[in-house]
Amino acid sequence: GEDVEQSLFLSVREGDSSVINCTYTDSSSTYLYWYKQEPGAGLQLLTYIFSNMDMKQDQRLTVLLNKKDKHLSLRIADTQTGDSAIYFCAVPGGTYKYIFGTGTRLKVLA
Amino acid sequence: SQTIHQWPATLVQPVGSPLSLECTVEGTSNPNLYWYRQAAGRGLQLLFYSVGIGQISSEVPQNLSASRPQDRQFILSSKKLLLSDSGFYLCAWSGTGGNQPQHFGDGTRLSIL
Repeated sequence: GEDVEQSLFLSVREGDSSVINCTYTDSSSTYLYWYKQEPGAGLQLLTYIFSNMDMKQDQRLTVLLNKKDKHLSLRIADTQTGDSAIYFCAVPGGTYKYIFGTGTRLKVLA
Repeated sequence: SQTIHQWPATLVQPVGSPLSLECTVEGTSNPNLYWYRQAAGRGLQLLFYSVGIGQISSEVPQNLSASRPQDRQFILSSKKLLLSDSGFYLCAWSGTGGNQPQHFGDGTRLSIL
């Protein structure tokens, strides 16, 4: 089955860029998503990329997709303390299902 | 606009007691519905999903069951809770068809004593 891996922790200084990485083992051609989870809350859809794209930019967020290497990344420019959260990538795991990564806890230092 | 509601927000239950968590969606019809469990500091484990009333797919064998009595209502149940059932339970919905984005409720924190 699909396996989705993320590094567990990332620490950056306020104002720097953050890059959160995600690798997966198998995926059909469709959308791939990034979610943000703040403490004690549900997951909030942040952004997505369609599998025929290499890059998508949405304000401070940039998603990069390398289909050959099965590697997805989320770059947050000018990281703020409010960006501190857990970030999940989600890749297709079947017609109606997504497989979520293990989550990366981003800590932004003031 | 579409909204999703989960309740209760927190629940403390003794081992062996029953469980009923409810999730409802507003502003859409025939959504796909999902139940996930998130153990502390861990990723999401898909428990059940439903593509229509009365249609339930179970992803992992466990002490829990799910039901969809109405189009926009999804219930997670147990007859006898185990200590291992503790966790953060999340309900989500997506649009009809494959690979639509999922939208999550605020979750229920379940503690088993």
